[in-house]
Amino acid sequence: GAVVSQHPSWVICKSGTSVKIECRSLDFQATTMFWYRQFPKQSLMLMATSNEGSKATYEQGVEKDKFLINHASLTLSTLTVTSAHPEDSSFYICSAGGTRDTQYFGPGTRLTVL
Amino acid sequence: GQQLNQSPQSMFIQEGEDVSMNCTSSSIFNTWLWYKQDPGEGPVLLIALYKAGELTSNGRLTAQFGITRKDSFLNISASIPSDVGIYFCAGLGGSRDDKIIFGKGTRLHILP
Repeated sequence: GAVVSQHPSWVICKSGTSVKIECRSLDFQATTMFWYRQFPKQSLMLMATSNEGSKATYEQGVEKDKFLINHASLTLSTLTVTSAHPEDSSFYICSAGGTRDTQYFGPGTRLTVL
Repeated sequence: GQQLNQSPQSMFIQEGEDVSMNCTSSSIFNTWLWYKQDPGEGPVLLIALYKAGELTSNGRLTAQFGITRKDSFLNISASIPSDVGIYFCAGLGGSRDDKIIFGKGTRLHILP
């Protein structure tokens, strides 16, 4: 099956710094990737839809200036959490797929902001 | 907005028992998906359902797409320790712009 990777798998940073998370589709091309956030014991919450070659589409309530998304190629999307604060600590998961209903998820990135 | 009600929220069962969980919604979905998530990992797709009434199996897992298109259930037969995890249902509408909506998950615990 299709493989999606994320890097890093976990990161700890100081409050006020920025963190970049990469999402790669390893064996297929993805014009669209999705970024989710998951708090402990909660479900996945869609943050934004990343579109190759164009601006990302953000869900209501998600600050686009805080969560910068860049989908520069058909196999790579990046999420940058700018000026991170402790409340941004979460599990960030990306997904990609050839069709809308066949989404393959990455292994997630655990972000801890001190 | 669209919401999925997934139940039960958690289950504690003995190894070897069968498991059943379900999702309901007030909205109609064209696709129902069931995922499993292990701790610290991303969700893995278990079963995808595309047609009302469809019953699909994947090993010991069986899922059905409800006739009304507003519900789906997942059964696991003869549970084993590696079935432990969180199971999420997800629904997808028929519009091109529709996004996958996730249920809140069912946590499966297997007692020794």
